[in-house]
Amino acid sequence: ETGVTQTPRHLVMGMTNKKSLKCEQHLGHNAMYWYKQSAKKPLELMFVYNFKEQTENNSVPSRFSPECPNSSHLFLHLHTLQPEDSALYLCASSPGVGDQPQHFGDGTRLSIL
Amino acid sequence: AQKVTQAQTEISVVEKEDVTLDCVYETRDTTYYLFWYKQPPSGELVFLIRRNSFDEQNEISGRYSWNFQKSTSSFNFTITASQVVDSAVYFCALSEGRTDKLIFGTGTRLQVFP
Repeated sequence: ETGVTQTPRHLVMGMTNKKSLKCEQHLGHNAMYWYKQSAKKPLELMFVYNFKEQTENNSVPSRFSPECPNSSHLFLHLHTLQPEDSALYLCASSPGVGDQPQHFGDGTRLSIL
Repeated sequence: AQKVTQAQTEISVVEKEDVTLDCVYETRDTTYYLFWYKQPPSGELVFLIRRNSFDEQNEISGRYSWNFQKSTSSFNFTITASQVVDSAVYFCALSEGRTDKLIFGTGTRLQVFP
């Protein structure tokens, strides 16, 4: 039990589908993050939310749309993805910004057909 | 610019051997934080340690130890008497000052054979 729960664990979708990834944290944290982990590449930060407000968008294509309705929940809405978007998507949370360690979920393994 | 380099892509050892994972970082900030995370096959990243740039004391936690040397910009991780359960990908990461960004290295895959 990591305290950060991601669903689904695996997702296969076609390029024209619309789907959403969900992340929920039970740690009382105020900051939440989306990362992309592709094979043989460093983890890439995608989005940061602090107290439900987006504070970072790391030049992510608009086919990825995040949503943070409250400090405990974070979504990543997917639309018209490309094969190169196949990756492990990791959610993380932390008490606040800066030096405090981020706690990660198990990730969603996304495959685009 | 910030950068984290983990030059060792993959390391294989036999149980009970000691193993050191290297991490070299680049930053222009004087205040920064260094992290190590473990990623087992299940996918989740498990936080292991955080150090700030003003604390160069080495740290030991059980079989794990970390050697932080500002003079060489390195933050190496040693596992003593490795076990099969240590098999995972290990990531070193850097964050500067009061920012949200964690910059990760490409990771080192450690395989410990019985």
